[in-house]
Amino acid sequence: EVQLVQSGAEVKKPGESLKISCKGSGYSFTSYWIGWVRQMPGKGLEWMGIIYPGDSDTRYSPSFQGQVTISADKSISTAYLQWSSLKASDTAMYYCVRRAVGATSYFDYWGQGTLVTVSS
Amino acid sequence: EIVLTQSPDFQSVTPKEKVTITCRASQSIGSSLHWYQQKPDQSPKLLIKYASQSISGVPSRFSGSGSGTDFTLTINSLEAEDAAAYYCHQSSSLPYTFGQGTKLEIK
Repeated sequence: EVQLVQSGAEVKKPGESLKISCKGSGYSFTSYWIGWVRQMPGKGLEWMGIIYPGDSDTRYSPSFQGQVTISADKSISTAYLQWSSLKASDTAMYYCVRRAVGATSYFDYWGQGTLVTVSS
Repeated sequence: EIVLTQSPDFQSVTPKEKVTITCRASQSIGSSLHWYQQKPDQSPKLLIKYASQSISGVPSRFSGSGSGTDFTLTINSLEAEDAAAYYCHQSSSLPYTFGQGTKLEIK
């Protein structure tokens, strides 16, 4: 069974750093792109970026380029999303997603989400 | 960046009603358009892939159509469990984008 299991909720202060994780199981982790999607409170879905764990090829949405870093450790089948200096506006639910095979493909599996709260 | 515009933003409907949600792309995306359902406090779930292809386990009352710039998600004979937000998503080109979402309320 394919699963994407994300790390738990985080409460941070503005200016702090953070790294959240997404562990894939039940499939070949290095053969599928893993993406991240943001959902701010009461709002819609925003695609942030995507990484191919096989070679760490990474693409970002222009809206998030330079704001976050996406990485992966294929030895432990885990993808990461990190911030070096959080802002209150980073408060949101973050989902990791698996992109099905094919360059124009859909997101076939979603993690359970990680809620990040940034407040002083 | 390809912009996806959904309509309506919100709809209040009664059970057994037929619902149509549209998604318009700012440029042609072929059939690289997918639909997701997000129930309250849950992760989104894939409903339809490549505009009209069904997904295993998704009830047959959900169907999709369209190509190019205009797409439609249809829910036949709405059920109470269909109360959710619905999003379209294009994978034709980076950056991937989502529509703003359509919230369905069941009367």
